[in-house]
Amino acid sequence: AQRVTQPEKLLSVFKGAPVELKCNYSYSGSPELFWYVQYSRQRLQLLLRHISRESIKGFTADLNKGETSFHLKKPFAQEEDSAMYYCALSPLVSGGYQKVTFGIGTKLQVIP
Amino acid sequence: EAQVTQNPRYLITVTGKKLTVTCSQNMNHEYMSWYRQDPGLGLRQIYYSMNVEVTDKGDVPEGYKVSRKEKRNFPLILESPSPNQTSLYFCASSLEGAPGNTIYFGEGSWLTVV
Repeated sequence: AQRVTQPEKLLSVFKGAPVELKCNYSYSGSPELFWYVQYSRQRLQLLLRHISRESIKGFTADLNKGETSFHLKKPFAQEEDSAMYYCALSPLVSGGYQKVTFGIGTKLQVIP
Repeated sequence: EAQVTQNPRYLITVTGKKLTVTCSQNMNHEYMSWYRQDPGLGLRQIYYSMNVEVTDKGDVPEGYKVSRKEKRNFPLILESPSPNQTSLYFCASSLEGAPGNTIYFGEGSWLTVV
């Protein structure tokens, strides 16, 4: 079974402060990890994924297999970062349908 | 523009009155899914489809039906809606092939059952 845990439902930070949204996972095989973001009144969209090793809008996330974590980080929060963030996991297997499991989400509130 | 389109966006209905939420994608994706989003529970998968005429249950399929007669369409059917199906529903699609494919979501359909 695969599971994604986001321990914080709400995270409030001041503008300019560092941000860390926590994500832990449980999966016996090799995982692919994602962060999806939902801005107010908009659809969910992919923010970044581990396999791409990219930085989007200043956010980065490192897969730590030892701690089974994929925390999302940004050094300086901006007001436009306020949104709902979902961590997600999919088996890293080629071919066939691979179920994506989402965490419950963390609402990031950036205080001006 | 590549997108997933679902309708209606907002609906208030009464208990027991059958309703259908349509979903269409123009990206020729094989995979399509329906999710519901509830506070404190996050996104939970209702049903998914791997291709035309191939559907399977997700985590919370009770009270829902789906069909996939055409590749681009994946309607969600509530035969006899109940108040516990009040939720925000998302249709999504993704491409077969590479591991861990990106999911593309629709804008969501707010459903209230009274």
